[in-house]
Amino acid sequence: GAVVSQHPSRVICKSGTSVKIECRSLDFQATTMFWYRQFPKQSLMLMATSNEGSKATYEQGVEKDKFLINHASLTLSTLTVTSAHPEDSSFYICSASNRVGETQYFGPGTRLLVL
Amino acid sequence: QKEVEQDPGPLSVPEGAIVSLNCTYSNSAFQYFMWYRQYSRKGPELLMYTYSSGNKEDGRFTAQVDKSSKYISLFIRDSQPSDSATYLCASQTGTASKLTFGTGTRLQVTL
Repeated sequence: GAVVSQHPSRVICKSGTSVKIECRSLDFQATTMFWYRQFPKQSLMLMATSNEGSKATYEQGVEKDKFLINHASLTLSTLTVTSAHPEDSSFYICSASNRVGETQYFGPGTRLLVL
Repeated sequence: QKEVEQDPGPLSVPEGAIVSLNCTYSNSAFQYFMWYRQYSRKGPELLMYTYSSGNKEDGRFTAQVDKSSKYISLFIRDSQPSDSATYLCASQTGTASKLTFGTGTRLQVTL
């Protein structure tokens, strides 16, 4: 089946630092990747959609300068949380859509804690 | 009104029971329908996806879509304690488009 990995699985950082999260599609090429945020006991909230080789499309209310997304290849997208603050602490999950685009496969998630 | 409505539960069933999970949706443009299972502190795992109306079966899982009534169902046969998780229905209008999720139903399968 389609496998999506994320790295790191957990990260703790100090307020004001930047954190990069990687999302990789391991056995398929992902033309489109998505980044979500999830708070405890809530459903997933889409942050942005990224297509390989082009700029990401951000959802309303998501700061593009705060959450930098790069989709440089068909198997890798990165999310960088810049100048992280405690309110950015959350569970960040990526997903990848294959070339057919009929569905999305999710990564295991990255738990970010900003102190 | 949310585009995809799902009863949040919790739903508690004994081991071996047949579980029925349901969603309704309002957007007629939805073409693809998925069910995900999410364990606590993990990413969602794709269980089933279907295109348009119809049934799809995979092992103990059966997904049904009725576009005429805008109703999505997932049936789990011979439920196991390991099935205890949150189940999310999701829909998308076209290929590689963003998903619209239900709120998720928390399922507890007891011994």
